[in-house]
Parts: sequence; C-alpha cells; structure tokens
Amino acid sequence: QVTLRESGPALVKPTQTLTLTCTFSGFSLSTSGMCVKWIRQPPGKALEWLARIDWDDDKFYSPSLKTRLTISKDTSKNQVVLTMANMDPVDTATYYCARAVRGVILEYWGQGTLVTVSS
Amino acid sequence: QSALTQPASVSGSPGHSITISCAGTSSDIGGFNYVSWYQQHPGKAPKLMIYDVTNRPSGVSNRFSGSKSGNTASLTISGLQAEDEADYYCSSYTSSSTLFVFGTGTKVTVL
Repeated sequence: QVTLRESGPALVKPTQTLTLTCTFSGFSLSTSGMCVKWIRQPPGKALEWLARIDWDDDKFYSPSLKTRLTISKDTSKNQVVLTMANMDPVDTATYYCARAVRGVILEYWGQGTLVTVSS
Repeated sequence: QSALTQPASVSGSPGHSITISCAGTSSDIGGFNYVSWYQQHPGKAPKLMIYDVTNRPSGVSNRFSGSKSGNTASLTISGLQAEDEADYYCSSYTSSSTLFVFGTGTKVTVL
C-alpha cells in the first residue's frame, strides 16, 4: 500500500524559508522510474506543480519558482524534502507531494498540508 | 507557466453525460499522449482518474473516459451521479521549459 504524508509548519512569516517533508511508504525512491513531485494549491485556486525528484536524483523545477526551490531526497528514510525561500503571502497554499510515474502520472497523493504566510 | 484551459464549470442531471474540455497546444496535449485527469472533492487531495489520455487506473469507474483530438483533450462522465460533483483538473507533459502543466480546473455540478 502506497502512502505519502506531508509535514511542516502551518504558519511561516514573510521572507522566511519554508521546509516541507514528504514521508512515504509502499515504494522505494531508488527504484528505476520512480519520482516524487510537489504540487501546491492556493485556497480556491488551481493546482500548480513545483518540483520533482527522480530515482536517479535528477531534479526538475517549475521555471517560475526555480530560484526559490530546492528538492532533495533521503532514500534511507523514505523522505523527500522541499525548501522554498523568501516566502510571501501569495505562497499561502495547501502543499501536496505525490508519487509520479514517468514524471507525468500522479498516481498517489498525500493529504496535503496547509501553509499560511503571514506576519 | 501557461495553464491548460478548461471551462470554469459544467453541470448535468443525474444519469446524463457531460464532457469537460482541456485545451492546450502542439507543445503539450497535441504533441504527446501524456494527458491525465484528476478529481478533487472539497478539502481532499486530487485523485487520478485517467492517464495517458484514455487509460483508467484500477478501481476507477468505467463511467469515466478520456479522449483527445488535436490540441484538446476531453473527459467524459457518463451516467452522472451525485458523487461525481467535484473539481476536475487535466494535466500534460509539455516540451516547453515548464515540463509539466495543469489545467485551470472545472467545477462539475450535478443538478
């Protein structure tokens, strides 16, 4: 059974760096073809993909946020970590991680974690 | 990143069929068969309903079907049920620097 769970602070201040952790089970990120993506959804708005890390440690970022994002993995802990620098109130959103096949099929999703950016 | 274009809302009566469109370009939908569809109920995570344009994951009702014509993909829900009321998002691989893009989302209402 594949599960993913996001964790991190519910509230961050403007200009701070957000660190989110995706802890997963039921698969290994060292298996060929596996990858994990981060997606966010501002309240009442559409989904937006942020970053992706592949089994071979290849990393991909949304061009519009690339300068602020860093994605990494700890295969031994079954975790993927996303950091987003210089947080702004417009970054208030529910952040999801998902297991992806071929980088494009988001098979399994975490339940999401709401991050509010406010002073 | 330029999102794929979906109608903001679509509605239908129980038992009827509806179709949601997802318009892209030759760099995404038109150029590749990597279109997926996701269902999202309020307060819940999205759920994969269709992948690779036409394929249904195990456990997804056969009332859901996908297709593509040119640069536009479509999701059809037949035999509409109250539980189908949700937001639906398409997504696609894109050969642009964006790599991956979601649609703008469609709210489905069962009348």
